[in-house]
Amino acid sequence: AQSVSQHNHHVILSEAASLELGCNYSYGGTVNLFWYVQYPGQHLQLLLKYFSGDPLVKGIKGFEAEFIKSKFSFNLRKPSVQWSDTAEYFCAVRSSSNTGKLIFGQGTTLQVKP
Amino acid sequence: ETGVTQSPTHLIKTRGQQVTLRCSSQSGHNTVSWYQQALGQGPQFIFQYYREEENGRGNFPPRFSGLQFPNYSSELNVNALELDDSALYLCASSLRGSPDTQYFGPGTRLTVL
Repeated sequence: AQSVSQHNHHVILSEAASLELGCNYSYGGTVNLFWYVQYPGQHLQLLLKYFSGDPLVKGIKGFEAEFIKSKFSFNLRKPSVQWSDTAEYFCAVRSSSNTGKLIFGQGTTLQVKP
Repeated sequence: ETGVTQSPTHLIKTRGQQVTLRCSSQSGHNTVSWYQQALGQGPQFIFQYYREEENGRGNFPPRFSGLQFPNYSSELNVNALELDDSALYLCASSLRGSPDTQYFGPGTRLTVL
């Protein structure tokens, strides 16, 4: 069965620190990969996505993620976080042949201290 | 372009009751997916509707059912509510294609007492 594992449940950083959130998935076929973000009091928003091509994808607000197929990973990175990045981050995977079912990780709560 | 909207925002029901949640798709989208997000967890896929038919279902019992209307809006119905049904219910819309991206609404917070 497909599954997504996010290693860090709660991350606390100071402003300007670098961020890397881990995401590993379990699925043997071709996948589409996503990172969604949920800011306090707001709904889930798409941060970035990978469908094919360049494994390094850039998203909104300076975020990027790298798909490493051999490691079944899709880690999220940002060189310098801001207080406004405080949010919950969800990694999600979907079989590329099934455009319906997104499988989400448990989420990582990021707290950025000013 | 309007985003995904859901109603109501909050709902309180008692065990055994039935509930209907509503979702309006983002303009131009023809596919709706429903997810359940329990506290502290990631969203779990319930089912998806396309062309008014169920198009994929997650590991949820038959008392979770849905509808999609010709204008692509959708309903999620839950019968015989249980305490564990308390959660945030999310609707996501997308434009059917390969591949597509799902855009989420604000959710309906359901509390079952």
